[in-house]
Amino acid sequence: AQTVTQSQPEMSVQEAETVTLSCTYDTSENNYYLFWYKQPPSRQMILVIRQEAYKQQNATENRFSVNFQKAAKSFSLKISDSQLGDTAMYFCAFMKLGGSQGNLIFGKGTKLSVKP
Amino acid sequence: GAVVSQHPSWVICKSGTSVKIECRSLDFQATTMFWYRQFPKQSLMLMATSNEGSKATYEQGVEKDKFLINHASLTLSTLTVTSAHPEDSSFYICSARVAGLADTQYFGPGTRLTVL
Repeated sequence: AQTVTQSQPEMSVQEAETVTLSCTYDTSENNYYLFWYKQPPSRQMILVIRQEAYKQQNATENRFSVNFQKAAKSFSLKISDSQLGDTAMYFCAFMKLGGSQGNLIFGKGTKLSVKP
Repeated sequence: GAVVSQHPSWVICKSGTSVKIECRSLDFQATTMFWYRQFPKQSLMLMATSNEGSKATYEQGVEKDKFLINHASLTLSTLTVTSAHPEDSSFYICSARVAGLADTQYFGPGTRLTVL
């Protein structure tokens, strides 16, 4: 069975600074996707970034980038130039590729507070 | 694109009554939809996977007779909480899988259920 671990329950960062959220996972699969979702106080889950495991290049979306280390089964999220609107819960998620169901397995989340 | 709506956004009901929650994909067809439950300050727990035109697949420990799921069309899935009790009070979130787009799940805004 796959598991996703987020070891940082809470983090804080000053506005405009950079912060990195950690995520590790355990799987015997070779083909899968990894995701970071953001859940602000509104509780709407928002996709931040996704990474296909077969791609060596780290995904980037504007101020958000990942450091994907497949051998180490690590998938950290870096937020650059942090903004107040980045304050949210961040969930790392794993999905096996090719499965008929496409279930997401979530970590427990990291609460990020961006301070002015 | 890839917008998912949920209705209602919140509902309060009396113990013993049934409540139906709708999940719609507004601008795409979703062959697979998922229902999650989220307790305060916790991660999302997958309850069931809903496939259009077939019976839902429930996760272990989720009572299928209590949480009825119907996926009648490619854009609509419903979750009915039957004979609701206070312990069913929670935040329920649906998501829809966009096949071919890295199998990404897009989430609805959630429904807050309070059972008195």
